[in-house]
Parts: sequence; structure tokens; C-alpha cells
Amino acid sequence: DVKVTQSSRYLVKRTGEKVFLECVQDMDHENMFWYRQDPGLGLRLIYFSYDVKMKEKGDIPEGYSVSREKKERFSLILESASTNQTSMYLCATGRTSETQYFGPGTRLLVL
Amino acid sequence: AQSVTQLDSHVSVSEGTPVLLRCNYSSSYSPSLFWYVQHPNKGLQLLLKYTSAATLVKGINGFEAEFKKSETSFHLTKPSAHMSDAAEYFCVVSRLTGGGNKLTFGTGTQLKVEL
Repeated sequence: DVKVTQSSRYLVKRTGEKVFLECVQDMDHENMFWYRQDPGLGLRLIYFSYDVKMKEKGDIPEGYSVSREKKERFSLILESASTNQTSMYLCATGRTSETQYFGPGTRLLVL
Repeated sequence: AQSVTQLDSHVSVSEGTPVLLRCNYSSSYSPSLFWYVQHPNKGLQLLLKYTSAATLVKGINGFEAEFKKSETSFHLTKPSAHMSDAAEYFCVVSRLTGGGNKLTFGTGTQLKVEL
């Protein structure tokens, strides 16, 4: 079974704080993805990575950055958290981009 | 550009009755289409996928979807709903970008199953 773990299920941060969300997978998949999920909007791709140290912007990268120093780990960074970044953040991984395995999500609240 | 439209944000059915979740797609070429399901407090899971082989695709838990090019539709069905089917369902299309294939998600359909 593919296991995708995310560092926190719930997180509360203050406006302006730097926030790190971590995702770890145990299946040696090349591709890793970060999405945010908002009611009525579905999932939107923030960033993805197809190899170590490689990253590409998704549809809504503004206000976010990512880091992939090791194949199994993909971090999402909110440089200066804002209230409009309150959301559910989902990490996914896959050998291809089409079949993705998702983590349980991190629900982030920015006050 | 590739996109999907889920026609219902909420669907409510009685246990034992058929389920129909509707999805229309827009694509400039033959698309790859998927349905993902998200149960409460769980990660998304792939239900089924269409990649230009058989137009009727069978997935897990008794779900199936039919690709209809003439109607640009990929509706998800199940003959008999079970309480455990209550979840949010996402219709998804794969799109080709400069960085490879990406998934574009629909806005989701919340399925409620009543006794």
C-alpha cells in the first residue's frame, strides 16, 4: 500500500508567520504535488515536482514556495501566511501524473 | 484548454436506489478522465479512470462511468447506493502542459445516502 503522510492534520498560525507543511511518501514515486482544497472550488494545484530539486508552478503558486531535497519528501512553504491561505492542503504522489495517491490533508487556519 | 464541469454540487439518494453523478468535459483532444472519491476525514482515492480504451469503465465499490464523446460526458453511476458511498466525488481531466500531464479537478459533488 502506498503511504503518504503529512506532518500535521490541523494547524493554527498567525498572519505573517512562515509556515512549513511537510509531505513524505514511501513508494519511491518521482512525482509529488501540493494542492489546496476549498469548498465549491475543488482542488487547485499549487506546485509540483517531478524529481529531486525540480519544481514547477501549478495554477495558484502565488504566496507559496516548495522544496524537494530528497525524493521522498516534498515541503510546501508559506513565506508570510495570510488569512486567505486558510484552507485544506493536500499532498499527492505518483509514478505518473495521472494516478495520484493522496495524503490525509492538513487543515490550516491563519488568524 | 481541458476542463470538467460537475453539474450537481449535492446529490441525495436513498439506500438501495441508483446513483448518478454527472460530469461534462471540455477538451481539444481525446482526454484521460478520472473519478476520485473523498470520504470524510480521509484522503482522496482513485475510483476509476478512462484512457481511450473501453468507453464503459468499471471502478471500485461497484461504480462505473461511461465516456460519451458525442455528449462530452463522463457520468458516474452505481446501480444500488450503500450508506458507505456517502462522500465527495470529483471528476478529473488530465491536461498536457509544458511540465507534463496535470490533473484538473471539478468542483465536486457531495453524495448523501439516506435510509
